[in-house]
Amino acid sequence: AQSVTQPDIHITVSEGASLELRCNYSYGATPYLFWYVQSPGQGLQLLLKYFSGDTLVQGIKGFEAEFKRSQSSFNLRKPSVHWSDAAEYFCAVAPSTGGFKTIFGAGTRLFVKA
Amino acid sequence: DAGVIQSPRHEVTEMGQEVTLRCKPISGHNSLFWYRQTMMRGLELLIYFNNNVPIDDSGMPEDRFSAKMPNASFSTLKIQPSEPRDSAVYFCASRPPASYNEQFFGPGTRLTVL
Repeated sequence: AQSVTQPDIHITVSEGASLELRCNYSYGATPYLFWYVQSPGQGLQLLLKYFSGDTLVQGIKGFEAEFKRSQSSFNLRKPSVHWSDAAEYFCAVAPSTGGFKTIFGAGTRLFVKA
Repeated sequence: DAGVIQSPRHEVTEMGQEVTLRCKPISGHNSLFWYRQTMMRGLELLIYFNNNVPIDDSGMPEDRFSAKMPNASFSTLKIQPSEPRDSAVYFCASRPPASYNEQFFGPGTRLTVL
């Protein structure tokens, strides 16, 4: 079955500390991979995507993610968190060939403490 | 450029009333998705269209829900009759052609059914 697992429901980090949000997926073939961010009262915004090539991808707001095929993982990282990064983060997968249906993880809520 | 536009942003109605949610996708995008987000169930795909044609409506919870896309620039999601358990945030998203399946989300409509 196709699925996306974000094992951490919520994470709290101190401002300036590093961040890693975990994502594992189960899919028939290597899909396209995404991270979206949702601030309170807002829709989801695309942070970054992986479709091929370099397994380390850069996104907006200083985020990066690394695709590891052997582990079926696509973890999101940021070296220094800012208070404005507090939001909910969704990992997602979509087919790379044929089809449009995106599967979203349950989300990880990030809290940033001063 | 304008993003995905949804209206209304907030809707409060009484049980049994008809509710219509509206979406204008980004110009040039040819796929449109309707999602529902709740605390209990997270983000659920209700239906998606490609080139104005419904492709997969398996996520529509029951016959009280219907969606239309009469042209490339407009879609509606209708609930008739509405029930309190329909209370949620409803998102519309659109996708450009020949893309890596990334989606662009609207700000959402928060629906409260009393």
